[in-house]
Amino acid sequence: AQSVTQPDIHITVSEGASLELRCNYSYGATPYLFWYVQSPGQGLQLLLKYFSGDTLVQGIKGFEAEFKRSQSSFNLRKPSVHWSDAAEYFCALLNQAGTALIFGKGTTLSVSS
Amino acid sequence: DTAVSQTPKYLVTQMGNDKSIKCEQNLGHDTMYWYKQDSKKFLKIMFSYNNKELIINETVPNRFSPKSPDKAHLNLHINSLELGDSAVYFCASRRTLAGQETQYFGPGTRLLVL
Repeated sequence: AQSVTQPDIHITVSEGASLELRCNYSYGATPYLFWYVQSPGQGLQLLLKYFSGDTLVQGIKGFEAEFKRSQSSFNLRKPSVHWSDAAEYFCALLNQAGTALIFGKGTTLSVSS
Repeated sequence: DTAVSQTPKYLVTQMGNDKSIKCEQNLGHDTMYWYKQDSKKFLKIMFSYNNKELIINETVPNRFSPKSPDKAHLNLHINSLELGDSAVYFCASRRTLAGQETQYFGPGTRLLVL
């Protein structure tokens, strides 16, 4: 079965500290993976995506993610968090038919000063 | 030059009413979607249209009826609204082409049923 798991419901990070948000997937073939961010009261903005090739992908706002097939993971990282990064982060997997996204339950990021 | 737009942004209504949410994209995409985000922020696909034809219809009550008058529009009509329909509804779109799997989302419509 295809699924996405985000093990951390809520994470708090100090401003300026590094961040890693975890994402694990279950999928039989090479996955198409995405990270989206949802700021309070806003829509979903694409941060980055992995389709194939280089397993370390760069995104917007200084985010990067690393695809690890052996661990079925696609963790999101940022070296130095800003207060404006406080938001809900969703990892998503394109379903096998290529017709819809399967989302994880999201991780809420809080940034403390 | 909004890419994917939805109207209204907020919708407050009474149980039993019928309401519609509109979605328009100006990206030239040929596939459009409706997703529902529940109170726990979980996002799930409801419908997908490709070139005005329905290609995904998840387990959604038949009170929900999508309509695509053309490739740039996908509207969602909901009959006999129930309390459990309160959620955020997101429209999304993409181009149906290999390598173009990224979906672009609208700002969402926050529906509250009283």
